[in-house]
Amino acid sequence: NAGVTQTPKFQVLKTGQSMTLQCAQDMNHEYMSWYRQDPGMGLRLIHYSVGAGITDQGEVPNGYNVSRSTTEDFPLRLLSAAPSQTSVYFCASSPRTGPSSYNSPLHFGNGTRLTVT
Amino acid sequence: AQSVAQPEDQVNVAEGNPLTVKCTYSVSGNPYLFWYVQYPNRGLQFLLKYITGDNLVKGSYGFEAEFNKSQTSFHLKKPSALVSDSALYFCAVRDVTTGGFKTIFGAGTRLFVKA
Repeated sequence: NAGVTQTPKFQVLKTGQSMTLQCAQDMNHEYMSWYRQDPGMGLRLIHYSVGAGITDQGEVPNGYNVSRSTTEDFPLRLLSAAPSQTSVYFCASSPRTGPSSYNSPLHFGNGTRLTVT
Repeated sequence: AQSVAQPEDQVNVAEGNPLTVKCTYSVSGNPYLFWYVQYPNRGLQFLLKYITGDNLVKGSYGFEAEFNKSQTSFHLKKPSALVSDSALYFCAVRDVTTGGFKTIFGAGTRLFVKA
């Protein structure tokens, strides 16, 4: 049981390049999400999904796209990278959605450190 | 809007001494509160959560948290700190006003435990 797996661990992009950050979980979790972590700002929600085929925006969605074609995978796409997207990106999942899930903690991957020059 | 605040960027304690990492919250309705810990180059790990009715919550690695409704606080505590407790700690709240799909994190508090 690997939990939440993120690839790659590190990535350097030039401004304007595109890339996809991969996230996979093997816990059959309904809910998956992407956060970015910046110093002094905690974690901010980019996009989330409550099941295959369903995605929605979080707090800072601009410049990022997501899709959820399977329960296991939730990739994050940067279409045209900008230096402001230099950050550490975390994927997180939890078992359920709805009121019964309010006290379910998030399970995090180990992150992708992205630098845009 | 739901929010959490961690008033200290950094907390320094000596090994063996008690530690407290502070968190205050602002929520509509019942609070669903969590503490997470992040070690270097790792993702966040769940430590503990508030369960309705239990003002003192026990979690992993000997940590506990005290929920205080009148002071809207959820401080993380440990009776005797270890050097290995040095890490970044995040307080978080589940935003139930938007269907519970969003978890809001504080800015984080870095804990240094000196041997």
